[in-house]
Amino acid sequence: AQSVTQPDIHITVSEGASLELRCNYSYGATPYLFWYVQSPGQGLQLLLKYFSGDTLVQGIKGFEAEFKRSQSSFNLRKPSVHWSDAAEYFCAVGARGTYKYIFGTGTRLKVLA
Amino acid sequence: DGGITQSPKYLFRKEGQNVTLSCEQNLNHDAMYWYRQDPGQGLRLIYYSQIVNDFQKGDIAEGYSVSREKKESFPLTVTSAQKNPTAFYLCASSFKTTSTVNSPLHFGNGTRLTVT
Repeated sequence: AQSVTQPDIHITVSEGASLELRCNYSYGATPYLFWYVQSPGQGLQLLLKYFSGDTLVQGIKGFEAEFKRSQSSFNLRKPSVHWSDAAEYFCAVGARGTYKYIFGTGTRLKVLA
Repeated sequence: DGGITQSPKYLFRKEGQNVTLSCEQNLNHDAMYWYRQDPGQGLRLIYYSQIVNDFQKGDIAEGYSVSREKKESFPLTVTSAQKNPTAFYLCASSFKTTSTVNSPLHFGNGTRLTVT
């Protein structure tokens, strides 16, 4: 069955430190991959997406993600975290041939001043 | 600016009452979706619609109903048959391409429903 796993429920980093949020997926073919961010009480905003080509994709707000087929992973990274990055982050997979997106359970990021 | 509007932001209902959540988009998107979000469970698909007058059940459709009479609108009714309706509800939309799932979702800001 198709699934998305975000192993870290909560992550705390200091402002200015680097960040990596993990995402692993289970899917029979190369999926479409997305990262979204959600501030409290708000909807989700797209950070970046991967469809094909270069496995390192750049997104908004200084985020990037790397697709690693051999590890079935699509980890999100940021070199230097800002206090405004505190939010919940969701990884999602688009299942080709369907109209379905599968979301992970999210990682809540806390940023220490 | 184009976007998705969900209303109201907060909704309170007594058990046994049906309630309708509004979702309107002016992005000219063909596909629209309803998700339910509960803490620690991510987003779960309730219903989706690819075209006017057509919609399909998602993973947790029981106790919910929808309509798609206009391209811009996709209201969700939470019926009294839904056993645990208290949740945060998110509406989303996307362009419809040969494979819709390569078109990112655009989300509204959600409606928090509390049923007591």
